[in-house]
Amino acid sequence: AQSVAQPEDQVNVAEGNPLTVKCTYSVSGNPYLFWYVQYPNRGLQFLLKYITGDNLVKGSYGFEAEFNKSQTSFHLKKPSALVSDSALYFCAVRGFENTGFQKLVFGTGTRLLVSP
Amino acid sequence: EAQVTQNPRYLITVTGKKLTVTCSQNMNHEYMSWYRQDPGLGLRQIYYSMNVEVTDKGDVPEGYKVSRKEKRNFPLILESPSPNQTSLYFCASRGAWRETQYFGPGTRLLVL
Repeated sequence: AQSVAQPEDQVNVAEGNPLTVKCTYSVSGNPYLFWYVQYPNRGLQFLLKYITGDNLVKGSYGFEAEFNKSQTSFHLKKPSALVSDSALYFCAVRGFENTGFQKLVFGTGTRLLVSP
Repeated sequence: EAQVTQNPRYLITVTGKKLTVTCSQNMNHEYMSWYRQDPGLGLRQIYYSMNVEVTDKGDVPEGYKVSRKEKRNFPLILESPSPNQTSLYFCASRGAWRETQYFGPGTRLLVL
């Protein structure tokens, strides 16, 4: 069965500094990997995804993520953090069920706090 | 505008009183899912549907029912809510050959 680990409950970074939010995964076969962001009292917004191809994926709001197959990781990064980036971030992986349904499994989330 | 809508957004109820949370998408997506979000547990799938009249259990289906009579709608039914179903619920949809899943705004449920 597939799983996702986000080892940090919270990440603190100063505005203007680079940020990294970590994610590791376990899945049979090739992974489909996603990052979503949740702002207070809002739903989940799609940030970026890795399906195949270039290991560095660029997404919305200046975020990017690096797929590392040997380390089974998909860390989210941004070169220069903004206070408005403060939110809850979820990593997710899609695997395959026997029925063919591609189930999306989420990590427990990492709260990013960017201080002015 | 392409979107997933849920109603109500907030709901307070009492134990045992049946309730339904509606979900609708306007993207003609085949796949729809319900998740609940709880602190420290992330999002866990309750039920999913691959098409009209095709539904199956997710990871935490106990105490919930769903139906998919029309492609656009996927209501979540709690026949006899209990306090441990107090949570934030999200509906989501995606097309059969698209990888991105789109989420509704969420329904915050409190069961007293």
